[in-house]
Amino acid sequence: QVQLVQSGSELKKPGASVKVSCKTSGYTFTSYAINWLRQAPGQGLEWLGWINTNTGNPTYAQGSTGRLVFSLDTSVSTAYLQISSLEAEDTAVYYCTRGVSENYYNSYYWGQGTLVTVSS
Amino acid sequence: QSALTQPASVSGSPGQSITISCTGTSSDVGGYNYVSWYQQHPGKAPKLMIYDVSNRPSGVSNRFSGSKSGNTASLTISGLQAEDEADYYCTSYRHINTVVFGGGTKLTVL
Repeated sequence: QVQLVQSGSELKKPGASVKVSCKTSGYTFTSYAINWLRQAPGQGLEWLGWINTNTGNPTYAQGSTGRLVFSLDTSVSTAYLQISSLEAEDTAVYYCTRGVSENYYNSYYWGQGTLVTVSS
Repeated sequence: QSALTQPASVSGSPGQSITISCTGTSSDVGGYNYVSWYQQHPGKAPKLMIYDVSNRPSGVSNRFSGSKSGNTASLTISGLQAEDEADYYCTSYRHINTVVFGGGTKLTVL
């Protein structure tokens, strides 16, 4: 069955960087896009962007900070989200997702979420 | 401010039907048939309930249905049940290469 398993919670100081991993299984990794979303405490969902797992080409949400980087390691069917120069406002649960089909327009399969806390 | 507009809250009694609206523009909801709806219970990851305006993923109850008219999409839940109480989010593809979200609607089952 399709699974997306994310790395564990992180506590970081302002200005540090964090890298969240999303290991997938149960399907052909390069056939489906991976989305990244986040949800700040008590807030709604925010789409951060997606990465084409076939080409490695990332697309970031409009207005998205330039501090986000999506990457892949296709040899282990894993996607990564790196956030640099962390700010308190980056505190959120970060999700990787996969759609019903190959496009990135929806999120059917979800990772369990990774809580990133930014605090001094 | 969210790109798509949803009511902050709706409520209904068990057995009733409710509808949640999601209003966008011709660049997103009105221009493409890529509207999705998610249900989120507290402390849980969201669950896809409707995609491509009106399609239900496998395993989702047929009490949930989606539709669209112009720039407004709607999620209807019929035969309301206690377990339907949750937050609901709509999303849409937006020109170019973007996905936008609504601010979410809290459904209370009275």
